[in-house]
Amino acid sequence: AQKVTQAQTEISVVEKEDVTLDCVYETRDTTYYLFWYKQPPSGELVFLIRRNSFDEQNEISGRYSWNFQKSTSSFNFTITASQVVDSAVYFCALGAYSGAGSYQLTFGKGTKLSVIP
Amino acid sequence: KAGVTQTPRYLIKTRGQQVTLSCSPISGHRSVSWYQQTPGQGLQFLFEYFSETQRNKGNFPGRFSGRQFSNSRSEMNVSTLELGDSALYLCASSLDRGPSYEQYFGPGTRLTVT
Repeated sequence: AQKVTQAQTEISVVEKEDVTLDCVYETRDTTYYLFWYKQPPSGELVFLIRRNSFDEQNEISGRYSWNFQKSTSSFNFTITASQVVDSAVYFCALGAYSGAGSYQLTFGKGTKLSVIP
Repeated sequence: KAGVTQTPRYLIKTRGQQVTLSCSPISGHRSVSWYQQTPGQGLQFLFEYFSETQRNKGNFPGRFSGRQFSNSRSEMNVSTLELGDSALYLCASSLDRGPSYEQYFGPGTRLTVT
């Protein structure tokens, strides 16, 4: 069974601070994909990044960076110099094949980030 | 390119009624998945449709059903509504099946059951 744990339920930071959102996953599959999505107050989930299990390279996109470590089953997300517009709920998700070749995304419970001006 | 659209955006129903939600995927996307989001349970997978066939189903009762049309548009139906069905229902589309294709989400339908 797949499982994603986001231990931080809510985080508050002051604008321009750096913040890291933690994600720990469990899967027996050797091939899997990890995702981060952002859900602003409007409700629509916005795709941020996808990584596959064979690519442990860290990635940076502007103020966003992701640290994938298979040894600790973690896929953490860091926002540098946070801005008020970063306020949202962030979801980590695991995509893998379950029994009988079925594929589905398993989401963590989400971390609500509030950036205070 | 237009994103995933869902109608209606908001819905209020009474216990025992049934409801149909609609999802139009991004043009060219063939896979549509549905999720239920509640404060208590978070985001839970309902089902996935591809080529008009249900390919995968989450752990939900038979009151939850869906279908996909030849143009990839999808509908989900919930019969005999219960108070616990109040949730945000999200539809996501992807180019094809499988984890190597990212899912793009619509704005959701907020269903309230009274």
